[in-house]
Amino acid sequence: QVHLVQSGAEVKKPGASVKVSCKASGYTFTGYYMYWVRQAPGQGLECMGWINPNSDVTKYAQKFQGRVTMTRDTSTSTAYMELSRLRSDDTAVYYCARAAAAGPFDFWGQGTLVTVSS
Amino acid sequence: DIQMTQSPSSLSASVGDRVTITCRASQSISSYLNWYQQKLGKAPKLLIYAASSLQSGVPSRFSGSGSGTDFTLTISNLQPEDFATYYCQQSYSTPRSFGQGTKLEIK
Repeated sequence: QVHLVQSGAEVKKPGASVKVSCKASGYTFTGYYMYWVRQAPGQGLECMGWINPNSDVTKYAQKFQGRVTMTRDTSTSTAYMELSRLRSDDTAVYYCARAAAAGPFDFWGQGTLVTVSS
Repeated sequence: DIQMTQSPSSLSASVGDRVTITCRASQSISSYLNWYQQKLGKAPKLLIYAASSLQSGVPSRFSGSGSGTDFTLTISNLQPEDFATYYCQQSYSTPRSFGQGTKLEIK
């Protein structure tokens, strides 16, 4: 069965960077897009962008352009999301989610809490 | 970017009730509309995709309808485990925007 397992919680200082991993299993990693979605405390869901693990093409939401980098390692079926120049309002749970082209997010990781605090 | 607007933002209902949540897109998205359920501290779970298709394993009391810009999620015969927050999402274009959520609470 499909599983997306994310790395553990992180605490970072403002201005630092964080890199969250998402290890996929139970399906062909290169056959689906991987999206990253975040949720600030008590808030809704915000899509940050996606990576096509097959082509290594990425697309980021305008809001995160210049600060986010999504990568993948096909040898380990792992996707990564790195967010730089962290601010306090980047404190959120970050999720990876799988989707076929134009399809829904049918499987999600368990979420990674990133806390940005001085 | 496509904006998704859900209503109501919160809703109180009783076990056994039938409830409807609406979602409106800022432009036509055909049937590229999905619904998710999120419980506290958990990742969202896909309920409905392509506006009206039930995801495998989801109870048939959940149903979706609509096309173009206006969509609805209906939950019939509410069960205790249905009290959660519900989000719509468009998959017509990037960024894949979500509605702001509807919190369904027990009356």
